[in-house]
Amino acid sequence: QQPVQSPQAVILREGEDAVINCSSSKALYSVHWYRQKHGEAPVFLMILLKGGEQMRHEKISASFNEKKQQSSLYLTASQLSYSGTYFCGTIGSNFGNEKLTFGTGTRLTIIP
Amino acid sequence: SQTIHQWPATLVQPVGSPLSLECTVEGTSNPNLYWYRQAAGRGLQLLFYSVGIGQISSEVPQNLSASRPQDRQFILSSKKLLLSDSGFYLCAWSVMENTDTQYFGPGTRLTVL
Repeated sequence: QQPVQSPQAVILREGEDAVINCSSSKALYSVHWYRQKHGEAPVFLMILLKGGEQMRHEKISASFNEKKQQSSLYLTASQLSYSGTYFCGTIGSNFGNEKLTFGTGTRLTIIP
Repeated sequence: SQTIHQWPATLVQPVGSPLSLECTVEGTSNPNLYWYRQAAGRGLQLLFYSVGIGQISSEVPQNLSASRPQDRQFILSSKKLLLSDSGFYLCAWSVMENTDTQYFGPGTRLTVL
């Protein structure tokens, strides 16, 4: 099943913080975060593994709550370059037969 | 380092015409390869994936097909394009491990008129 992301879209002023959530209906092994700028391919940001630590990419960090089957992406002191659509991708705990399944995306717009 | 190429970058085709999109990966051996389609403003739809030469798995039945004639080459084809085939086609690769982190190529923007 496709993970659900929230919010669907968010508009921030430069310097503000944002949180993007990704929820799954099944037990997860890993969560991947990607950013896609308009007209470009998605770019891998980070991966969170079951039992692993919180990860960070520049001023973007993410957490993974295995019990709740959720991951959150934290964008701190947002910069104009953070604009784009953020996708989470999940792999279920039965990873031998699983493929990365992407969420519906969260469109982030940063205004000066 | 690994790089992934796709061509063409953009394509405009009439309805009913054939299609061939190519994807090649450099710097890695025996990668998993994937084809995705993304409609305008939408998410990523997995079309096909391959774990080896000649091994293709289809996720969505449609008028598209995929082939992997060489270890690092993945081709997406159609005999007759439909209007609904328009979109942004992305090829991705991953190493053969459980984390399956995928890295995307630059994409092909297809418009069917």
